[in-house]
Amino acid sequence: GAVVSQHPSRVICKSGTSVKIECRSLDFQATTMFWYRQFPKQSLMLMATSNEGSKATYEQGVEKDKFLINHASLTLSTLTVTSAHPEDSSFYICSAREDTYLEAFFGQGTRLTVV
Amino acid sequence: AQTVTQSQPEMSVQEAETVTLSCTYDTSESDYYLFWYKQPPSRQMILVIRQEAYKQQNATENRFSVNFQKAAKSFSLKISDSQLGDAAMYFCAYRRPGGYGGSQGNLIFGKGTKLSVKP
Repeated sequence: GAVVSQHPSRVICKSGTSVKIECRSLDFQATTMFWYRQFPKQSLMLMATSNEGSKATYEQGVEKDKFLINHASLTLSTLTVTSAHPEDSSFYICSAREDTYLEAFFGQGTRLTVV
Repeated sequence: AQTVTQSQPEMSVQEAETVTLSCTYDTSESDYYLFWYKQPPSRQMILVIRQEAYKQQNATENRFSVNFQKAAKSFSLKISDSQLGDAAMYFCAYRRPGGYGGSQGNLIFGKGTKLSVKP
């Protein structure tokens, strides 16, 4: 299957700072990328969907000014958590798909801890 | 809006035996895709099996098979000859078709079933 690489796998940041998470499709062009958030022992909740070169579409209740998503190329999308607070601590997972693919492929996830 | 329900928060199976995980979904659409994903402790999402709604034949991947009942909107996963490595969270997911436009093809997940395998 296709490979999606997500970095970093773990990050600890201080409250009030910003942190950037990268999601790269290594061997295909990701027409669409998805960002999910997963709380402990819970399911994945879609945060936003992004298409290359256009603004991301955020799900209801997700603050777009706090979770900045950039999909500047067909192989890279970034999620920046701005002015992070402890309640932003979570597991963030990206996935990517090319339009002809049936399924999306997932990155390894990023565990964010805000202290 | 589409919803996916997994009614079994936890399941347990003896090694080498068979276990079935349940999933139901709600949709008004006739064309869609269904998936089962496995999430081990590493939390990497791994595709187990997929089913296209227009296909009547149940999908099979080695020890994994599904029972797809479109009219009942049911999509259960059967794991045969269970192995210790099968222990994980299993998520059922629904996807609308399409890539361009509003649907975007995002996945809607159930809450998951934690599968334990006893040696």
